[in-house]
Amino acid sequence: QVQLQESGPGLVKPSETLSLTCTVSGGSINSDYWSWIRQPPGKGLEWIGYFSDTGNTNYSPSLKSRVTMSVDSSKTHFSLKLSSVTAADTAVYYCARIIWGWGPQFDYLGQGTLVTVSS
Amino acid sequence: QTVVTQEPSLTVSPGGTVTLTCASSTGAVTSGFYANWFQQKPGQAPRALIYSTSNKHSWTPARFAGSLLGGKAALTLSGVQPEDEADYYCVLYYGGAHLVFGGGTKLTVL
Repeated sequence: QVQLQESGPGLVKPSETLSLTCTVSGGSINSDYWSWIRQPPGKGLEWIGYFSDTGNTNYSPSLKSRVTMSVDSSKTHFSLKLSSVTAADTAVYYCARIIWGWGPQFDYLGQGTLVTVSS
Repeated sequence: QTVVTQEPSLTVSPGGTVTLTCASSTGAVTSGFYANWFQQKPGQAPRALIYSTSNKHSWTPARFAGSLLGGKAALTLSGVQPEDEADYYCVLYYGGAHLVFGGGTKLTVL
């Protein structure tokens, strides 16, 4: 069974870059697609983007200019970087696996990590 | 900007049946939107329930069913249990590229 675990700083200053890591166990980053989703406190889910190890990457149009997703050379971690953060980026961030059949099939998600943007 | 719309809230009695829907601002939702559905209970991460409109994961209870209904994606719960009280989110796949979540439906079992 695939398990995902997010990690990273819980507090980021405005205008700085948010950096999170997702550790994957029980599965290989070499296959499938990997995604980040976020949820502001008390609000709904927002898709941030997804990527594959083969280089197929898609980001939310509203975040595209500030987002970078990449995979660690160990192939056991992947990361999210979101630049120039503001208070509006305060959210619980989840990583997820997507199996790509004819279309995206979400299956496993991490437990999430809260990131607060504040000075 | 593409908007995906869900009912903000629904109430159902235990043992009853309820249908949640997921509409797209671009028009009718078809199988090509590969709708996925998630369940989220308070304080927990979302859990994937349905993919590609109607396919269940191995952990999805049999009482959950996904379909297309009247130009929308739909999630029907039959024989609702108290533990089904949760927020439910759909996500649709657009233009071979990006994904958009609906605003979520708060389901109350009362």
